[in-house]
Amino acid sequence: NFMLTQPHSVSESPGKTVTISCTRSSGSIASNYVQWYQQRPGSAPTTVIYEDTQRPSGVPDRFSASIDISSNSASLTISGLKTEDEADYYCQSYDANNLVFGGGTKLTVL
Amino acid sequence: EVHLVESGGGLVKPGGSLRLSCAASGFTFSSYSMNWVRQGPGKGLEWVSSISSSGTYIYYADSVKGRFTISKDNAKNSLYLQMNSLRVEDTAVYYCARDIYQGRLVFLPDYWGQGTLVTVSS
Repeated sequence: NFMLTQPHSVSESPGKTVTISCTRSSGSIASNYVQWYQQRPGSAPTTVIYEDTQRPSGVPDRFSASIDISSNSASLTISGLKTEDEADYYCQSYDANNLVFGGGTKLTVL
Repeated sequence: EVHLVESGGGLVKPGGSLRLSCAASGFTFSSYSMNWVRQGPGKGLEWVSSISSSGTYIYYADSVKGRFTISKDNAKNSLYLQMNSLRVEDTAVYYCARDIYQGRLVFLPDYWGQGTLVTVSS
């Protein structure tokens, strides 16, 4: 099994841009899709990115994502930060028999 | 609209059993694989188990293997998680989540329910 490592927390000001990284410990980040979930306090997770870079309908285009093979990592970028973006964000991928989550990143918009 | 509603959570003593249910609506349940994911108090998301659309393929996290059983009743549009030999560390909110593609299990949840709380304590 592999692990996905995220920073524990990030903070940024409203209107700014923040990027959250997700590094895969073994195996290529490009070998299996990565998804990103947003979880606001007291709520269930919702999908903000699927298939590495795709946004579900209803997710603002301020949310974008990418894969970097050289660093074996995925990244979620949120531009034009709003206070409503304050939440926990989880990356997720899989291998043949397992679903793996990153540890989550707490985004503070202050 | 996809709708997933979990039920069956509650307080149980260590060593006890509980059966969680997830009622699905708004999509063709029989065509989709399903997942259970849990979240301990103040902790991150942890995968528990997944089942293919027909129930043929089933997978468990090592932490629950041999104690939990996932099942799917396509006629009732329902997903289940039978939890036996419960431990204090199983205390968590349990979410059911649909897998993203019709017809095959790829371990990519897209829609999530609101969760049901399981507390294991003496």
